[in-house]
Amino acid sequence: GENVEQHPSTLSVQEGDSAVIKCTYSDSASNYFPWYKQELGKRPQLIIDIRSNVGEKKDQRIAVTLNKTAKHFSLHITETQPEDSAVYFCAASIKAAGNKLTFGGGTRVLVKP
Amino acid sequence: NAGVTQTPKFQVLKTGQSMTLQCAQDMNHNSMYWYRQDPGMGLRLIYYSASEGTTDKGEVPNGYNVSRLNKREFSLRLESAAPSQTSVYFCASSGPSSRRGSRDTQYFGPGTRLTVL
Repeated sequence: GENVEQHPSTLSVQEGDSAVIKCTYSDSASNYFPWYKQELGKRPQLIIDIRSNVGEKKDQRIAVTLNKTAKHFSLHITETQPEDSAVYFCAASIKAAGNKLTFGGGTRVLVKP
Repeated sequence: NAGVTQTPKFQVLKTGQSMTLQCAQDMNHNSMYWYRQDPGMGLRLIYYSASEGTTDKGEVPNGYNVSRLNKREFSLRLESAAPSQTSVYFCASSGPSSRRGSRDTQYFGPGTRLTVL
């Protein structure tokens, strides 16, 4: 089955700096890659997603890039703010296989004021 | 719209007891999922239901059963709870939606924190 690895497991950045989280996946048939943000004690919430037919997608301060050849995708957060502190999860799925998500292990991001 | 709701929010069981976690969604989604999240880890799929009347195993189905009662409701049952099932359980749903996101976007419920002693 699919395997998703996520790095780093923790990331500490100064407010205003950029944060980058990287994920690799194993199944070349995967075609949907969402990113979720989870605050302490809360549910995961989608922040951005990308499909395999797109190389990059932006939404204000966040962006995701996808390299299908290398089977990796990354989340970029620019101008980080204290409210960006949370755990971020990447995931991958194969739409034809019921859209079951396989999650990475998560990255705890701490933005220091 | 309430989105995805789960009951109960917290539960403590003794080893060997049984219980059912309830999940409901009001977004008219076809697909529903059950995940577990252990401390410091990502979410792992237990079971999913691609549409009403169908269910299938995920990555960690042992010790669990599910029922897709109707399009809105998807329950998870622990027949004989074990300490290894101590976890936070999240239900999710996906499908065509007027909310931000696509038909592939999975929306999560608030979770059930389960402790098995």
